[in-house]
Amino acid sequence: EAQVTQNPRYLITVTGKKLTVTCSQNMNHEYMSWYRQDPGLGLRQIYYSMNVEVTDKGDVPEGYKVSRKEKRNFPLILESPSPNQTSLYFCASSFGRGDTQYFGPGTRLTVL
Amino acid sequence: SQKIEQNSEALNIQEGKTATLTCNYTNYSPAYLQWYRQDPGRGPVFLLLIRENEKEKRKERLKVTFDTTLKQSLFHITASQPADSATYLCALRDDKIIFGKGTRLHILP
Repeated sequence: EAQVTQNPRYLITVTGKKLTVTCSQNMNHEYMSWYRQDPGLGLRQIYYSMNVEVTDKGDVPEGYKVSRKEKRNFPLILESPSPNQTSLYFCASSFGRGDTQYFGPGTRLTVL
Repeated sequence: SQKIEQNSEALNIQEGKTATLTCNYTNYSPAYLQWYRQDPGRGPVFLLLIRENEKEKRKERLKVTFDTTLKQSLFHITASQPADSATYLCALRDDKIIFGKGTRLHILP
C-alpha cells in the first residue's frame, strides 16, 4: 500500500531533550516536506527536500533540522525542543511540484 | 511577504446546494494551486491541482477555477452532501508550499 509513515504518533518530552521524528515513504517520491499545524495559524512548512542530499527552509525552520540521506526517509530533528514547538507535525511527499502530495498521519508533540 | 487567505473560517450550506470556497493570494505567482480536504485529527488529503495556465479543472462533483489576474481560486462542490463536511485548504505551490488557514464547511441535512 502506498503510504507515508511517521513515528512516533504521539510524544511527550521535556525542554532541551533532543528528539527525532521519522518519516518514510514507499512511493519513490523525490519531494518530501515537513509541516506543523497550530490552531489559528494553519499548516506551515518547516523544511522541504527536492531530492537526496537537497534540503531547503520553509517558512518556519527555526529550531528544526532535517536530513535526506536516502530517498525514502526524511527525519525531523529537534536538537533542543522548547514548549513553543508543541504542535501537530505532518510529513508529506510527492513526485514533483505539480503532483499529488500525500500526507502522513501526523505526530502530536508536547514539549513540557 | 506572500500571503494567502481563505475567505471564511466556516461556511454552512444546505444539502444539495453548491458550496463555493474562495482562496485569495498576494505577492506571489505560483506555478500551481492545490486544494485539500482535512478531517479532524487526520492529515490533509489532496483533491485537485490547477496549473497557472489553466482556467478550470473538474473532478466528479468538484470544480476549481484559477484566475491569476485576480489572484484568486474558487473551489466548488456541487450537489453537496453531509459527508462533504470537513475543512478545506488551498495551497500555493512552487518549490515551497504555502497553505491557507482553511474553511470549515458544514453541509446541513
